[in-house]
Amino acid sequence: SQKIEQNSEALNIQEGKTATLTCNYTNYSPAYLQWYRQDPGRGPVFLLLIRENEKEKRKERLKVTFDTTLKQSLFHITASQPADSATYLCALDDTGFQKLVFGTGTRLLVSP
Amino acid sequence: DVKVTQSSRYLVKRTGEKVFLECVQDMDHENMFWYRQDPGLGLRLIYFSYDVKMKEKGDIPEGYSVSREKKERFSLILESASTNQTSMYLCASSHSLNPSLRDEQYFGPGTRLTVT
Repeated sequence: SQKIEQNSEALNIQEGKTATLTCNYTNYSPAYLQWYRQDPGRGPVFLLLIRENEKEKRKERLKVTFDTTLKQSLFHITASQPADSATYLCALDDTGFQKLVFGTGTRLLVSP
Repeated sequence: DVKVTQSSRYLVKRTGEKVFLECVQDMDHENMFWYRQDPGLGLRLIYFSYDVKMKEKGDIPEGYSVSREKKERFSLILESASTNQTSMYLCASSHSLNPSLRDEQYFGPGTRLTVT
């Protein structure tokens, strides 16, 4: 069966450290993968997109990797801040018609 | 900035009522989507539309219908609300149907629907 898995347990880290979140998928062949941030009671907000032919993508303190052999994407936040505390969702395309399938998200808590 | 608005933030309805959830986007986006989000299940696609009057079923369309009479507006209809439809409902839009563009989706703030 098709699955997208993100660690359901919250990730607790100290301010200034690098947070690394994992997204694994099974039985999909996505052409691209996206990461979103969601704050409590709000809709997700797009952060980064990475294509299948890209190994790594960066935006300010954010970095995403995409390994189609391992069927895994890693999302890194360097020099993390308490304001980075949120739930982070990965999503991959299904069928290629702008239809995304979302993981359940990982909650990140950055303590001062 | 793209803005996606939803008609209500909170809604309480009774079992059997017909419920309308409205979504409007102001950026001339082609695609619009309705999701529901439940703890432990994540975001699940109910219906999407890639053009006016066009609709496609998502992963969980049962018990729902949609309407897209104008490009900017996408409505989700619960014909006869049931308690298992209590959830957070999120509307989203994206720019183009062209698969090569790989557009991100812009989400509204969500409507928390409770069916009693």
